[in-house]
Amino acid sequence: DAGVIQSPRHEVTEMGQEVTLRCKPISGHDYLFWYRQTMMRGLELLIYFNNNVPIDDSGMPEDRFSAKMPNASFSTLKIQPSEPRDSAVYFCASSLWGEGGYTFGSGTRLTVV
Amino acid sequence: DAKTTQPPSMDCAEGRAANLPCNHSTISGNEYVYWYRQIHSQGPQYIIHGLKNNETNEMASLIITEDRKSSTLILPHATLRDTAVYYCIVSRGSQGNLIFGKGTKLSVKP
Repeated sequence: DAGVIQSPRHEVTEMGQEVTLRCKPISGHDYLFWYRQTMMRGLELLIYFNNNVPIDDSGMPEDRFSAKMPNASFSTLKIQPSEPRDSAVYFCASSLWGEGGYTFGSGTRLTVV
Repeated sequence: DAKTTQPPSMDCAEGRAANLPCNHSTISGNEYVYWYRQIHSQGPQYIIHGLKNNETNEMASLIITEDRKSSTLILPHATLRDTAVYYCIVSRGSQGNLIFGKGTKLSVKP
């Protein structure tokens, strides 16, 4: 398995633009998580899904952020409109209930100028 | 989920065992202890987890005290590639989410 695949690896966008981050979890995993990492705040959980259904989105910073999981093999995190304070590394992770740990992707480094 | 306390940084000589401590005095009976590490610029990597028994895998050993209020992650023969931030997390497993703290920055030196 290729692991959790995130795209793009790097994204530079202008303030006010819409940004879409993508994630392909490991096949067969039933949980999917979106995290954000900054120097100031560390790793923060934004939202997670179980069987494609959002379970807890209390970490989503504001209405500008939205996440979807239309099927078991794909999820998106969208920011509209983007702001400079959204600059961070965004990680996607997946796991299988009852098994050990999460598998994280390599992340998307977002820079909003 | 219970909170954990870890030293902010530690050093270890290459080839020696690295022992990383973690306090989790408010852990509940159904909460597991998880360890992850993050090598610079990469996504966090799962290392090991346990409930109350000691655990060992190809990467590390996890020693949990009998009262479960603390644990130690042991890297038996640290290499330079083990330099990373190590996170100790207490969680209810798949039904709970992982809340990362600041972790311990382990520096393995030649």
